Amino acid sequence: GAVVSQHPSRVICKSGTSVKIECRSLDFQATTMFWYRQFPKQSLMLMATSNEGSKATYEQGVEKDKFLINHASLTLSTLTVTSAHPEDSSFYICSASGQPATNEKLFFGSGTQLSVL
Amino acid sequence: GENVEQHPSTLSVQEGDSAVIKCTYSDSASNYFPWYKQELGKGPQLIIDIRSNVGEKKDQRIAVTLNKTAKHFSLHITETQPEDSAVYFCAARWAGRRALTFGSGTRLQVQP
Repeated sequence: GAVVSQHPSRVICKSGTSVKIECRSLDFQATTMFWYRQFPKQSLMLMATSNEGSKATYEQGVEKDKFLINHASLTLSTLTVTSAHPEDSSFYICSASGQPATNEKLFFGSGTQLSVL
Repeated sequence: GENVEQHPSTLSVQEGDSAVIKCTYSDSASNYFPWYKQELGKGPQLIIDIRSNVGEKKDQRIAVTLNKTAKHFSLHITETQPEDSAVYFCAARWAGRRALTFGSGTRLQVQP
């Protein structure tokens, strides 16, 4: 399958700081990337959808000013958690798809465990 | 919007036995149904998928069946091995949306 690289895998930060997470498609052009959030022992909840070169579409209840998403190229999307607080601690996972390379299949990165102190 | 229900939440089987996980979806316009395996601290890994124009698909020990009339689909793992132990998620994609909606997950434990 296609390879999606995400880093960092783990980050610990102080409350009030900002954290950037990168998601790269290594062997295909990702026309669409998705960002999910997962709490312990729970399912994946979609946060936002981003298409290369356009603004991200956020799910209801997700603060766009808190979770800044940039998809400036066909191989890179970033999620910045601004002014992080302990309640933002979670596992963040990106995924990507791109025609025709992935045939609309969705491949996931390895996830980023964010811990806000 | 799309809603996906998954059962059971936990499943324990003996090595060599079969495991079956079932999901139902709400939107009849859904047309794509993948299954993912997630190990602790890692991202989900696509293991098999099926589109709405197919009733069954098999890949070695893994198979997926789809019943469009009843709006449910199932994952079948035969000859289970300890390395199959993980959390499995079903998902569905509604025809008018590119993102996936996930089920709540099934924690599979294969006892050696």
